[in-house]
Amino acid sequence: NAGVTQTPKFQVLKTGQSMTLQCAQDMNHEYMSWYRQDPGMGLRLIHYSVGAGITDQGEVPNGYNVSRSTTEDFPLRLLSAAPSQTSVYFCASSYSVRRDPPPLNYGCTFGSGTRLTVV
Amino acid sequence: GNSVTQMEGPVTLSEEAFLTINCTYTATGYPSLFWYVQYPGEGLQLLLKATKADDKGSNKGFEATYRKETTSFHLEKGSVQVSDSAVYFCALRNFGNEKLTFGTGTRLTIIP
Repeated sequence: NAGVTQTPKFQVLKTGQSMTLQCAQDMNHEYMSWYRQDPGMGLRLIHYSVGAGITDQGEVPNGYNVSRSTTEDFPLRLLSAAPSQTSVYFCASSYSVRRDPPPLNYGCTFGSGTRLTVV
Repeated sequence: GNSVTQMEGPVTLSEEAFLTINCTYTATGYPSLFWYVQYPGEGLQLLLKATKADDKGSNKGFEATYRKETTSFHLEKGSVQVSDSAVYFCALRNFGNEKLTFGTGTRLTIIP
């Protein structure tokens, strides 16, 4: 059971370049999300999805796009990278709270992260 | 809106010392509360959780009690080990909503 898999683990981009951070989960979780982690700021929610075909913005969505064409995959796209997007990115997933019966494990499973540097 | 406030770090303790990391929260309704741990170079792992008032979450010798009257969820461990060195995050999740709100994290270093 792989859990949540993120690729790549490290990436260096030049300002203005685009790239996609990949996230895949094999637990049949409905909910998937992307966070960025910055020193002194904890984790901030970028985008999330409650199921295939459904996405919504989190706390800091600007500069990022997402799509959810399958239950398993939730890629994060940087269209034109900026130095302010230098961060560690985490993907997380969980069962939907709307499941019947409700899930016992109410927490999220996290990937191991992608460290992105924009120069 | 929701918010989580954690004690500022870094925290440095000697092995076998008693640990407390304070966490207080602001939320509407009845959130579930979590502690996550991040070991160096890794992602976050769920350490423990509590879903209602007076619940005590526990795991690996760590404990935290959901105190609704003080809106707190302090993390404690009676005797820390070097292997407990990590960053600890307090988080909450409102009932009926999957989104997690995190505190800023507390870096803990245990010295032999």
